[in-house]
Amino acid sequence: AQSVTQLGSHVSVSEGALVLLRCNYSSSVPPYLFWYVQYPNQGLQLLLKYTTGATLVKGINGFEAEFKKSETSFHLTKPSAHMSDAAEYFCAVSERGTGNQFYFGTGTSLTVIP
Amino acid sequence: DAGITQSPRHKVTETGTPVTLRCHQTENHRYMYWYRQDPGHGLRLIHYSYGVKDTDKGEVSDGYSVSRSKTEDFLLTLESATSSQTSVYFCAISEEGDNSPLHFGNGTRLTVT
Repeated sequence: AQSVTQLGSHVSVSEGALVLLRCNYSSSVPPYLFWYVQYPNQGLQLLLKYTTGATLVKGINGFEAEFKKSETSFHLTKPSAHMSDAAEYFCAVSERGTGNQFYFGTGTSLTVIP
Repeated sequence: DAGITQSPRHKVTETGTPVTLRCHQTENHRYMYWYRQDPGHGLRLIHYSYGVKDTDKGEVSDGYSVSRSKTEDFLLTLESATSSQTSVYFCAISEEGDNSPLHFGNGTRLTVT
């Protein structure tokens, strides 16, 4: 079965600093890749997704992620953190040909320090 | 926002009682899912449905059952609630296609005392 690893369950950055949240997947066949954000007491909201084509994907709120097949990674970045970015972030994958089966990482809690 | 409504939003129940959580969608999506979210575990799939009356188990299905008699409704039942089922439960939906993302409801916080 697919596994998704998010390195660092807690990440702290200063306001205005680079945000880097890491995600690695396990399958040899590149899956479809997603990043979600969860604000307190809310459901998960899709930030961005990679399916095919350009490996650098732009999402909402200034976030972007780059698919690197050789590293089996899909790290999430934002050039300049804002206080409103404080939330929980989840990486998820869907394997091709499995009929909408999703696998989630355990999440990274982002704290933004003023 | 995707039209997904979960009810109730909060529930406190006693050990041994049956509990049913409801998920209602207005998007006419084929797939519906129930996840539970617990600290340190992320989201874990309980059951999912790929059509009316078509359901299958996820990785943590013990103690849970589901039903889908209409496209728009997906019910999760705890036949006899236990304290280990205290959690936040999320319903999600997706269109057909492996590259279709999940869309989530706002969750139900269940406490079993």
